[in-house]
Amino acid sequence: GAVVSQHPSRVICKSGTSVKIECRSLDFQATTMFWYRQFPKQSLMLMATSNEGSKATYEQGVEKDKFLINHASLTLSTLTVTSAHPEDSSFYICSASDRASGKLFFGSGTQLSVL
Amino acid sequence: AQSVTQLGSHVSVSEGALVLLRCNYSSSVPPYLFWYVQYPNQGLQLLLKYTSAATLVKGINGFEAEFKKSETSFHLTKPSAHMSDAAEYFCAVSESQGGSQFYFGTGTSLTVIP
Repeated sequence: GAVVSQHPSRVICKSGTSVKIECRSLDFQATTMFWYRQFPKQSLMLMATSNEGSKATYEQGVEKDKFLINHASLTLSTLTVTSAHPEDSSFYICSASDRASGKLFFGSGTQLSVL
Repeated sequence: AQSVTQLGSHVSVSEGALVLLRCNYSSSVPPYLFWYVQYPNQGLQLLLKYTSAATLVKGINGFEAEFKKSETSFHLTKPSAHMSDAAEYFCAVSESQGGSQFYFGTGTSLTVIP
């Protein structure tokens, strides 16, 4: 079946550094990828929608300059948390929409801890 | 290891009929279970979640799900389907309510026939 690989699964970084999270569709082409964030005991919150080759569409309240999203190819989208701060510590998960079937597949998530 | 199986990638029901979307899970620890819905061109929305309290969980829009440990199931139901329920539904399992890896099912597309 279709697989979305999200890497890394866990990352710990110092405040002020930048962290890149990768989301790859391994056996299908993804025209659209979604990035979500989840705080403990809360629901997944959509951060942005990215389409291959175009700028990401951010949800209200999500800082574009803080959370840089690049969707340069049909199999890869990246989320970069720039100048991370402790309040950015959260669980981030991506999903990818299969170009052929339209089905949505999920990565297993990244736990970011900023010290 | 944890995993989720959603039986039936497509389900069609008539308006007013019972909705039943199946989800079975495997987990080596007591699971947290979730149902999410995705409407066309939108992100995921949480319908409901099981967090080891009551086994029958009520969610938004009239949906509910029952955790059955003996059957390792968490099926989603709604007594009477509305046209607006047409969407993609995802079941997910996690070791915690947040800050842990999620494992999603492959989704079930619900069509409501007028």
